[in-house]
Amino acid sequence: AQSVSQHNHHVILSEAASLELGCNYSYGGTVNLFWYVQYPGQHLQLLLKYFSGDPLVKGIKGFEAEFIKSKFSFNLRKPSVQWSDTAEYFCAVGSNDYKLSFGAGTTVTVRA
Amino acid sequence: NAGVTQTPKFRVLKTGQSMTLLCAQDMNHEYMYWYRQDPGMGLRLIHYSVGEGTTAKGEVPDGYNVSRLKKQNFLLGLESAAPSQTSVYFCASSWSSYNEQFFGPGTRLTVL
Repeated sequence: AQSVSQHNHHVILSEAASLELGCNYSYGGTVNLFWYVQYPGQHLQLLLKYFSGDPLVKGIKGFEAEFIKSKFSFNLRKPSVQWSDTAEYFCAVGSNDYKLSFGAGTTVTVRA
Repeated sequence: NAGVTQTPKFRVLKTGQSMTLLCAQDMNHEYMYWYRQDPGMGLRLIHYSVGEGTTAKGEVPDGYNVSRLKKQNFLLGLESAAPSQTSVYFCASSWSSYNEQFFGPGTRLTVL
């Protein structure tokens, strides 16, 4: 089974700062990659996904992620964060066994 | 469309009591999942189903049972609740194992 590691447990930023969250996985086969966001008190929502093609994926709310196959990484980025980006972010990896494996999550706090 | 709904939203149980969490989806998805979310541990898969009448164990199945008698419903049962089962439970569904999962709003369960 694959494992997913997210490098940062808690990130604190000021508004307009750039954000990058790391995600690495440990599976050598074909994978589908996802970033989900969970706003305070809400359920998980999909930010973006990668199945194939262009390794630079654009998602909602100005987020993007880059798949680097050689590094088994799928890092999430946003050039300029807003207070409303305060949330918990989860990286998830799917393979051919019907399941997604989630990272432990990164809490992002954006200070106004 | 309501998407994925969960009942109840909150519940407090005493040790040894039983309960059933209901998940319903109106998207005609084949795949359904039950996760638990605990601080610092991300989402861990309890059980999942790849179609009506089928269920399978995930990462942390002990102490839980599930049933998928109808395609749109996926029930999670706790036969004898323990304090270690205090958690937030999320249900999700998807078209296939490779597609994104859609999450319900969660059930916050406390076992005293």
